[in-house]
Amino acid sequence: SAVISQKPSRDICQRGTSLTIQCQVDSQVTMMFWYRQQPGQSLTLIATANQGSEATYESGFVIDKFPISRPNLTFSTLTVSNMSPEDSSIYLCSLTKGGGLETQYFGPGTRLLVL
Amino acid sequence: DQQVKQNSPSLSVQEGRISILNCDYTNSMFDYFLWYKKYPAEGPTFLISISSIKDKNEDGRFTVFLNKSAKHLSLHIVPSQPGDSAVYFCAASGMGGATNKLIFGTGTLLAVQP
Repeated sequence: SAVISQKPSRDICQRGTSLTIQCQVDSQVTMMFWYRQQPGQSLTLIATANQGSEATYESGFVIDKFPISRPNLTFSTLTVSNMSPEDSSIYLCSLTKGGGLETQYFGPGTRLLVL
Repeated sequence: DQQVKQNSPSLSVQEGRISILNCDYTNSMFDYFLWYKKYPAEGPTFLISISSIKDKNEDGRFTVFLNKSAKHLSLHIVPSQPGDSAVYFCAASGMGGATNKLIFGTGTLLAVQP
């Protein structure tokens, strides 16, 4: 498995502002993903971040709200834009090292509270 | 529409006994299943997986069973230890080419009593 770090680990933000979450991996990986876990709910995939191409978003998630960057094979960012209290969640990045049926490994998560 | 379901939100087991966590799915296109353990303030940690071509996979104290006809999988932990106390998520993937996309259940909180 790879070592995955996320920054910040937690934050409290005011509504209407934006927060960028960073995900750093200690080795090159093919695919990175961003998930959200709202309070009391399951993990939901937001988008797949591919290096060198635009992210692929799941139904219900749009680029304007959750812009993603993947500048290289070890780093990705997720921005939560124009935040509202409904965006209060844990945001997690994950990765696989290859295509196909691969196990995903998760970062520690970023706990976001929007007031 | 919850495609992966964990109907027991919590489970309490005595140390040394077997813990059985259950998961049901509705989409017959799923062909890869995983179990993750999550402690508070940490990301999910991969435990064990199983491909749909198998009906059992074992790794130490952890065994996953898959019943494709019933669209049901279970995770057995034996013997259970207090350090196993965590939230357990099952996840499924492999829907007709959309590999790597994991669909998670809602989780089961396991409490192992000393």
